[in-house]
Parts: sequence; C-alpha cells; structure tokens
Amino acid sequence: EAGVAQSPRYKIIEKRQSVAFWCNPISGHATLYWYQQILGQGPKLLIQFQNNGVVDDSQLPKDRFSAERLKGVDSTLKIQPAKLEDSAVYLCASSPRPGGGTDTQYFGPGTRLTVL
Amino acid sequence: QKEVEQNSGPLSVPEGAIASLNCTYSDRGSQSFFWYRQYSGKSPELIMSIYSNGDKEDGRFTAQLNKASQYVSLLIRDSQPSDSATYLCAVNRASSGYSTLTFGKGTMLLVSP
Repeated sequence: EAGVAQSPRYKIIEKRQSVAFWCNPISGHATLYWYQQILGQGPKLLIQFQNNGVVDDSQLPKDRFSAERLKGVDSTLKIQPAKLEDSAVYLCASSPRPGGGTDTQYFGPGTRLTVL
Repeated sequence: QKEVEQNSGPLSVPEGAIASLNCTYSDRGSQSFFWYRQYSGKSPELIMSIYSNGDKEDGRFTAQLNKASQYVSLLIRDSQPSDSATYLCAVNRASSGYSTLTFGKGTMLLVSP
C-alpha cells in the first residue's frame, strides 16, 4: 500500500512570494490533515478535512494560508504572501475513517519550506 | 488552550538501559493518547497508542496512562542506539463528530553505545 505522498520535498522562496504544496493521501482515507512543524516544536494542526469538507481550520492563518481538498482525495495548501516565520516543515497526514477518532494518522515525508 | 507538555531533553541513556519519557496534558476531556517517534529530518511514525488507565506493552515499549493525574509516559526497555530520536506525545479529543490531535514539543532521546 502506497503511503502519503507530498511534493515538493523542499522549497526555498523569498518573503512575499507565493508557494503551494500538494498532498495525496493513502487511497480510501477519509480524513486529511495539514500540520506545520517549526524546528524544535511538535506538529501544529493547520486544517483538517473530512472527505472534501473542512472540519477544523481554527489554527490556519486565513489571511495568508488557504487549502482545498478536491473530490475528497488530494489536497493543496497555499501560502500567499509568505513571511519569514512560515519557514517550517509542512506535514500532510491521513487517517482511514471520517472524524479520525482513535485512528492512526499516517504522515507523509513533509515539505521543508525556507523563506528568505 | 489545550496544552501537551514534555521535557525537551535531551535525555541521555546508555545502551541497554530503560528510557522513561513523560508527558502531561491540560484537557481533562482528552480521550486517546499516542506516542510518535521522529527521526531527524523524517516524519513522525506512531509507536504506541493508549486509551484507558494503566499500562500497555508492545515489545520493548510500555505506555502508561493516568487520567486522574493527566499524565502519560513511555518506557523503552533495553534501549538501543537506533532508538535515538525525538519522541512526540499526542493527545486526542473528540468533539462535534471529529477529533484533533495536539502534539507536545517532543523529548529528544540519545542512546549511547
């Protein structure tokens, strides 16, 4: 079974530029998560999708971050414009059942973003 | 504000020793608890989950949960150099038909040969 796929793996941009990340979850997984992990910190949930609907985006900086999950499958996370403090690893995860619950979350390899 | 607290470490133990990693959480409504291992430059991988008070053993790993004290721990017996990693405690609370994970900052474990 293929794992969670993410691209690109690395991205370097200048502040005020835009960037987009892509995630393809494990086939059939209903719930998809985007996390931001700053160096030395634990992952912080940005947004959670259940199928193609948003169930939690309370920690998403909506003035600059946006995300969508088309047809309940893959997802994109966009930052526009980027700030220096957005430098982090962006992790995508998926879990099998709607709502997550006690499901294991399977993480992708992450995208390391550096904002100069 | 839901919080999950861990000592950042590093926790240094010699090979073959028991490593003890601790975690406290603030949300009394938390229902399930997870330990993830994260190697440097890699993504987190689940090593243990625990849902009820007491101990849960899986190979060299034992998770312990005390909901009254809002405390979760992970014991690693016969520690190996390959166990050197950051261990993330994560706490899950369900509400309105979905659940979210809150992670601690992680404890770095160093196992010396």
